[in-house]
Amino acid sequence: AQSVTQLGSHVSVSEGALVLLRCNYSSSVPPYLFWYVQYPNQGLQLLLKYTSAATLVKGINGFEAEFKKSETSFHLTKPSAHMSDAAEYFCAVSESGGSNYKLTFGKGTLLTVNP
Amino acid sequence: DGGITQSPKYLFRKEGQNVTLSCEQNLNHDAMYWYRQDPGQGLRLIYYSQIVNDFQKGDIAEGYSVSREKKESFPLTVTSAQKNPTAFYLCASTGQGYQPQHFGDGTRLSIL
Repeated sequence: AQSVTQLGSHVSVSEGALVLLRCNYSSSVPPYLFWYVQYPNQGLQLLLKYTSAATLVKGINGFEAEFKKSETSFHLTKPSAHMSDAAEYFCAVSESGGSNYKLTFGKGTLLTVNP
Repeated sequence: DGGITQSPKYLFRKEGQNVTLSCEQNLNHDAMYWYRQDPGQGLRLIYYSQIVNDFQKGDIAEGYSVSREKKESFPLTVTSAQKNPTAFYLCASTGQGYQPQHFGDGTRLSIL
């Protein structure tokens, strides 16, 4: 069974500082991995996805993530935080090769950006 | 613009009442999903459907029911058997293969 662990339910950074949100996954087969962002009272918006191509994935709004198989990690980073980045971020995994396409989500990390 | 429409945005349920949440998509996606979101719990899968007239239980299906009579529509009924229905409900859809899931803006259900 697949699972996702997001380390840190709440991360606080200063504007202009590095953003690092951690995600570790467990999967019995090569995974597909996703990061989503959620603003208050809204649905989830896709930031980026890894589907077995390049291990460094670039997404929207300056975010990127690196797939590290040896560490079973898919951490999300952004070099310089902006106030508009304040939101909740979810990492999700789907097992490739399966007939049922289901995502398993982490519990989320709330990012606060301080002026 | 293509997308997913959930309605209503806010919904209140009385004791013993069934309520239905609407989800419509015009993305021509085959698969549709319902998730429940509680603070600090992430998203948990209630039901999903890969084709019309077929659906499968997710991880927390008890107290919920769905139908998929049309490709565009996947309504969720929260029955009176669901004793703790207060949550944010999200509908999603996806196309063929491992495409990302697209989400609606959610329905917040509360108990009166």
